Amino acid sequence: ETGVTQTPRHLVMGMTNKKSLKCEQHLGHNAMYWYKQSAKKPLELMFVYNFKEQTENNSVPSRFSPECPNSSHLFLHLHTLQPEDSALYLCASSQGAHAYFGPGTRLTVT
Amino acid sequence: GQNIDQPTEMTATEGAIVQINCTYQTSGFNGLFWYQQHAGEAPTFLSYNVLDGLEEKGRFSSFLSRSKGYSYLLLKELQMKDSASYLCAVSDINQAGTALIFGKGTTLSVSS
Repeated sequence: ETGVTQTPRHLVMGMTNKKSLKCEQHLGHNAMYWYKQSAKKPLELMFVYNFKEQTENNSVPSRFSPECPNSSHLFLHLHTLQPEDSALYLCASSQGAHAYFGPGTRLTVT
Repeated sequence: GQNIDQPTEMTATEGAIVQINCTYQTSGFNGLFWYQQHAGEAPTFLSYNVLDGLEEKGRFSSFLSRSKGYSYLLLKELQMKDSASYLCAVSDINQAGTALIFGKGTTLSVSS
């Protein structure tokens, strides 16, 4: 248990669906991140939030929309996804550079 | 941008020692991390180096040479449970602020 939780753990959605991934950290950190992990590829940084402000959007398609209502919660809203978006989506938080990861959401787009 | 290279796969036997290398190129180096990731699980922190030299933590040690852009993770007295992916990650203050940039990971298989 790292103090970072994610729901749901598994998600199957069609290309026309809208769904949201949720992340919550109980560590008092001021930075939160979304990473994407696909097979045979490195962890890809998607979004960075510092003190609820988005400071990085790593050229992510607009079908992924993040939301950070407070420093403990982070959402990733999904709509009209493609099959190639199927991956493990990891949330992390940090105070400084040391990142603590949640268990991830395994997303399958059909 | 950054470039982080590490071998894709390594194999070793129980009780042996294995060294996983990582080379990196970055403009605003702010530390290097090693994470362990078992299949289907989240990455977990192993070590952090920001100054040159060796950091030892039990069976695991990590080395850094900033001038060479090089690090290695040394695993001693290997156990079957050490079979996992080992991720090298760099913190670069000129890119993505506090976020870590990861290499592809090295899949280590330990056999009996």
